[in-house]
Amino acid sequence: RKEVEQDPGPFNVPEGATVAFNCTYSNSASQSFFWYRQDCRKEPKLLMSVYSSGNEDGRFTAQLNRASQYISLLIRDSKLSDSATYLCVVNSNSGYALNFGKGTSLLVTP
Amino acid sequence: SQTIHQWPATLVQPVGSPLSLECTVEGTSNPNLYWYRQAAGRGLQLLFYSVGIGQISSEVPQNLSASRPQDRQFILSSKKLLLSDSGFYLCAWSPGNTGGGNTIYFGEGSWLTVV
Repeated sequence: RKEVEQDPGPFNVPEGATVAFNCTYSNSASQSFFWYRQDCRKEPKLLMSVYSSGNEDGRFTAQLNRASQYISLLIRDSKLSDSATYLCVVNSNSGYALNFGKGTSLLVTP
Repeated sequence: SQTIHQWPATLVQPVGSPLSLECTVEGTSNPNLYWYRQAAGRGLQLLFYSVGIGQISSEVPQNLSASRPQDRQFILSSKKLLLSDSGFYLCAWSPGNTGGGNTIYFGEGSWLTVV
């Protein structure tokens, strides 16, 4: 089983739509969880950390389910500028590095 | 504020030639440093990480090596490139002395094409 698994998509949604991405991880001892965003041919950038109680940042909501080893990202009121690849990230067995999922591609259309 | 610089941004190298990618971090001390690679259509693969000068951990066997000659300098090298070494190489840093699991911050990346 891969350490971090995501649905690759692509997700094509109209502006204003709500879209949800899911991710599962294999290491039950993982303690750190993040969502990163990567634009085409650019470096990944932190979108938000994921906390046990769930957290929200504007139109973005992240949730963690430790029992199911599952992370989600919800984007409300999608904007054209949200088009990107969203990477689910979990700390590695070593504790120092982070393991990245392959990403879920989102295309928001007018 | 902290910044990370990585170079060169783009390079085309023949098979069998050497490689050197360099990365420096400014505005912080004793960072954890990382080299990741993203091959076409694939996810980010951790190649090396370092928690201090001269301390390198390798995550995958390959013909690449890494060195950390100074606290905020990280170098990725190869003596002989393979076609399969083509990809997007990303240097990254995270705060050190904190036990790990922190957010990591990437440089702008280096696009390597081996021909």
